[in-house]
Amino acid sequence: DQQVKQNSPSLSVQEGRISILNCDYTNSMFDYFLWYKKYPAEGPTFLISISSIKDKNEDGRFTVFLNKSAKHLSLHIVPSQPGDSAVYFCAARRQISGANNLFFGTGTRLTVIP
Amino acid sequence: ETGVTQSPTHLIKTRGQQVTLRCSSQSGHNTVSWYQQALGQGPQFIFQYYREEENGRGNFPPRFSGLQFPNYSSELNVNALELDDSALYLCASSLTGKAEKLFFGSGTQLSVL
Repeated sequence: DQQVKQNSPSLSVQEGRISILNCDYTNSMFDYFLWYKKYPAEGPTFLISISSIKDKNEDGRFTVFLNKSAKHLSLHIVPSQPGDSAVYFCAARRQISGANNLFFGTGTRLTVIP
Repeated sequence: ETGVTQSPTHLIKTRGQQVTLRCSSQSGHNTVSWYQQALGQGPQFIFQYYREEENGRGNFPPRFSGLQFPNYSSELNVNALELDDSALYLCASSLTGKAEKLFFGSGTQLSVL
């Protein structure tokens, strides 16, 4: 039962252009959505998050958009840089009995071509 | 400020054995979670510990158990290992109040033969 889905396993973008990574979810009980970035041999690193009561959050080159009616979120990276090449995981939080249960997608591998 | 550290980095066990994985939380963090990441999948929540008590568990059987110590370090124990337990095990710590933001270690790669 995959509650968070990333349907694109990979994405290639030219340096300087926009990267758009997409994510869909099924559970209306999620209260936070997050993006994590993962380099090989390292753990996931927090990138940006958005509360379920907002529709946009921006941090420098990174913007996350949330469309609750469509149960869809996206991460925009502008401009894309070669150092952005990594696997990006979308995650959604549901608090159960005070515990933070993050549900992760399967990841999208972004390659930024110089 | 030290990050989240996990040991060992790699481990090979045989089916039926028991394994203990260790984690040191980021300084000042009192909540630790463990995740299992199978090949080609996203991390899956195993359980969370807060102030030495388990306060949440994902869809994992009781042979997955844990401990959190007063210094907020943590252990994940897996009994009666199965082949499907082969995965990357990630520990994550968080600061209550900013709890949606997790700080992950680099993981322990467990192979069960």
